[in-house]
Amino acid sequence: DPKIIQKPKYLVAVTGSEKILICEQYLGHNAMYWYRQSAKKPLEFMFSYSYQKLMDNQTASSRFQPQSSKKNHLDLQITALKPDDSATYFCASSQDGLSNERLFFGHGTKLSVL
Amino acid sequence: AQSVTQPDARVTVSEGASLQLRCKYSYFGTPYLFWYVQYPRQGLQLLLKYYPGDPVVQGVNGFEAEFSKSNSSFHLRKASVHWSDWAVYFCAVSLRGGRALIFGTGTTVSVSP
Repeated sequence: DPKIIQKPKYLVAVTGSEKILICEQYLGHNAMYWYRQSAKKPLEFMFSYSYQKLMDNQTASSRFQPQSSKKNHLDLQITALKPDDSATYFCASSQDGLSNERLFFGHGTKLSVL
Repeated sequence: AQSVTQPDARVTVSEGASLQLRCKYSYFGTPYLFWYVQYPRQGLQLLLKYYPGDPVVQGVNGFEAEFSKSNSSFHLRKASVHWSDWAVYFCAVSLRGGRALIFGTGTTVSVSP
């Protein structure tokens, strides 16, 4: 059973629209992350949260907003979508957000922006 | 800035042959180093991780990696490849006190019969 659930698996959106990517983890972890993987770039760190607080933000655009309503949830809201946002978005978690910890990844949400 | 370089985008190896995947990192000091594997249509899974100490690290499924501070490298190897090892392999570095895991571009391993 997957312990990190990402919804939906596939998402098609129109340029200029807004979408929310869902992530829930059932590992009891205190830190959660978002990564993006596209054809043009390697796996790219976006955000990290620890105990529901934003710790790091490596995303230049404010169009990407993480939302943590519960400790085991970290959703990603993307506004004003652009074709360049097309990528697979991976949610991950670790026990406490320490730099030597193993990350556990979800299966990803593949976003296509037309 | 810290970075990770995987010079080989794709490697093809025969089943039963040995495998080595290269990884070079750029960081002043000794970072935490990881190898992750991504099987088709799945998220990444940890193969092994390095803490300062023994330079050779054992991982899952017969994989091991060797850290070299002088060469700034953390190469992955396996003595005998199985068809199920067909996947993309990522080297990653994490800084002490940092919270972001920085990944290389990945090496796709194809296994021929």
